[in-house]
Amino acid sequence: KNQVEQSPQSLIILEGKNCTLQCNYTVSPFSNLRWYKQDTGRGPVSLTIMTFSENTKSNGRYTATLDADTKQSSLHITASQLSDSASYICVVRRNNAGNMLTFGGGTRLMVKP
Amino acid sequence: DAGVIQSPRHEVTEMGQEVTLRCKPISGHNSLFWYRQTMMRGLELLIYFNNNVPIDDSGMPEDRFSAKMPNASFSTLKIQPSEPRDSAVYFCASSQAGTSGGHEQYFGPGTRLTVT
Repeated sequence: KNQVEQSPQSLIILEGKNCTLQCNYTVSPFSNLRWYKQDTGRGPVSLTIMTFSENTKSNGRYTATLDADTKQSSLHITASQLSDSASYICVVRRNNAGNMLTFGGGTRLMVKP
Repeated sequence: DAGVIQSPRHEVTEMGQEVTLRCKPISGHNSLFWYRQTMMRGLELLIYFNNNVPIDDSGMPEDRFSAKMPNASFSTLKIQPSEPRDSAVYFCASSQAGTSGGHEQYFGPGTRLTVT
């Protein structure tokens, strides 16, 4: 079954600290993996997209990694800010699946001052 | 570009009433998606249109749900009759699928539906 599992479900960190969110997937054949940020009361917004051949991609303080062999991805947030408080959703597209995506359950991050 | 536009932003209705959610995709995008998000189940794809044609509606929960896309700039999701378990946030997203497919999906702000 094509699935995307994220951990932890929720996380609380202090402002300025780093954190890493995990995503494991069984979606096959793999096409690409996206990390979305969803602020409370808003729609998801894409942070990064990674294909099979990419193993690291950065977007400011966000760095995503991908290990296509172990089917794992991580999102590392450096020097967290209060505005990083949001849900982070890992999304995988299966090859030959058109525009259909498989969503993880998300990690809810809270950054406290 | 204004992005994906959804209306209403909030809807409160009584059980049994008809609910219509509206979406205007980003101009030039040829794919449109309706999603439902709940705390228990996360984001679930309900239906997906490509060039105004429904491609996959296997996520539509039951016959009470229907979706239409009469033209490239407008889509509706209708629930009739509504039930309390339909309470959720409904997102519309659009994308421009190229020859390789699977281009970035841009989400609207969502419609928060509460059925009492």
